[in-house]
Amino acid sequence: KNQVEQSPQSLIILEGKNCTLQCNYTVSPFSNLRWYKQDTGRGPVSLTIMTFSENTKSNGRYTATLDADTKQSSLHITASQLSDSASYICVVSAGDGANNLFFGTGTRLTVIP
Amino acid sequence: DAGVIQSPRHEVTEMGQEVTLRCKPISGHDYLFWYRQTMMRGLELLIYFNNNVPIDDSGMPEDRFSAKMPNASFSTLKIQPSEPRDSAVYFCASSTETGSRVTQYFGPGTRLLVL
Repeated sequence: KNQVEQSPQSLIILEGKNCTLQCNYTVSPFSNLRWYKQDTGRGPVSLTIMTFSENTKSNGRYTATLDADTKQSSLHITASQLSDSASYICVVSAGDGANNLFFGTGTRLTVIP
Repeated sequence: DAGVIQSPRHEVTEMGQEVTLRCKPISGHDYLFWYRQTMMRGLELLIYFNNNVPIDDSGMPEDRFSAKMPNASFSTLKIQPSEPRDSAVYFCASSTETGSRVTQYFGPGTRLLVL
């Protein structure tokens, strides 16, 4: 069964600290993995996308890693800011087509001053 | 570009009432998607259109849900009759293609509460 699981479900950190969010998947075949950021009351916005051959991708203070062998990905946030407070959603694609996307339920990150 | 536009942003209704959600995709995007998001299940694809034609509606939960796209700049998702378990955030998204690397652009969502 194609599934995407994220952990932790929620996380609270102090401003300036680093954190790492996890995504494990059982999707097959694997095409790519994308991380979305969803601010409260807004739609998800794409942060990074990685294919099978890419094991790391950065977008500013966000760095995503992918281990296609263990089917795990992580999103590392460096020097967190209050604006990083959001939900982060991991999405795995099994190929072309909108019905080949598998969504995690997200990690809710709260950054406090 | 204003991005994907959805209305209303919030809707509170009573069980049994008809609910209509509206979406205007990004101009030039040939694909339009309707998603439902809940805490328990996350984002779920309900239906998507290509050039105004429904391509896959297998995610539509039941006959109470229907979606239309009368033209390239407008789509509706209708629930009739609504039930409390339909309470969720409904997102509309659009894209130029459905290739696996193509980015979908999401609207701000409609938060629906059915009492």
